[in-house]
Amino acid sequence: NAGVTQTPKFRILKIGQSMTLQCAQDMNHNYMYWYRQDPGMGLKLIYYSVGAGITDKGEVPNGYNVSRSTTEDFPLRLELAAPSQTSVYFCASSLPPTRSNEQFFGPGTRLTVL
Amino acid sequence: DAKTTQPPSMDCAEGRAANLPCNHSTISGNEYVYWYRQIHSQGPQYIIHGLKNNETNEMASLIITEDRKSSTLILPHATLRDTAVYYCIVRVRDSGTYKYIFGTGTRLKVLA
Repeated sequence: NAGVTQTPKFRILKIGQSMTLQCAQDMNHNYMYWYRQDPGMGLKLIYYSVGAGITDKGEVPNGYNVSRSTTEDFPLRLELAAPSQTSVYFCASSLPPTRSNEQFFGPGTRLTVL
Repeated sequence: DAKTTQPPSMDCAEGRAANLPCNHSTISGNEYVYWYRQIHSQGPQYIIHGLKNNETNEMASLIITEDRKSSTLILPHATLRDTAVYYCIVRVRDSGTYKYIFGTGTRLKVLA
């Protein structure tokens, strides 16, 4: 199993540009999550999904959108990129929390907005 | 709001036990404590979790105080590869699901 994969690894955007961060998992996990990590800080939840077609906001959803059309994929869309969105973005997946307690994280995408 | 407080950094000699403390004084009765670590800015890696009993697995032990206001992660024989940022996390229930509330973590350096 590849686990959780993320693309791209690195990206530089100009202010106002948009992009989609890709995330895929091959563990048949229903739950998927997007986090951001600012320098020296812990991770903050942006959006999460409990299954295909179902998404909900986390702690810091402003400026982002998600979709979940399949179990495997959970893309994160940035519209009108701003310097405040410079961060490292992690995608994670898990079984339903009542069944398993471990979230599996991808390697991250480092995004810089200039 | 972060629900955990950890020292920002600690050193430990290789081969010795590393004891990483965490304060979670506002934890609710049904909220679990999780520990993850992050090596070289990779994705966090699960270590262990617990509710009120002490827990042990192949990686570490978790000691939770009786009042559940604090806990300690113990790496029994630290190696250089254990150098990482360790996050103590409270898992809270919110809007029908569970969410991790990360703090700022402890940067553990294992010294040769």
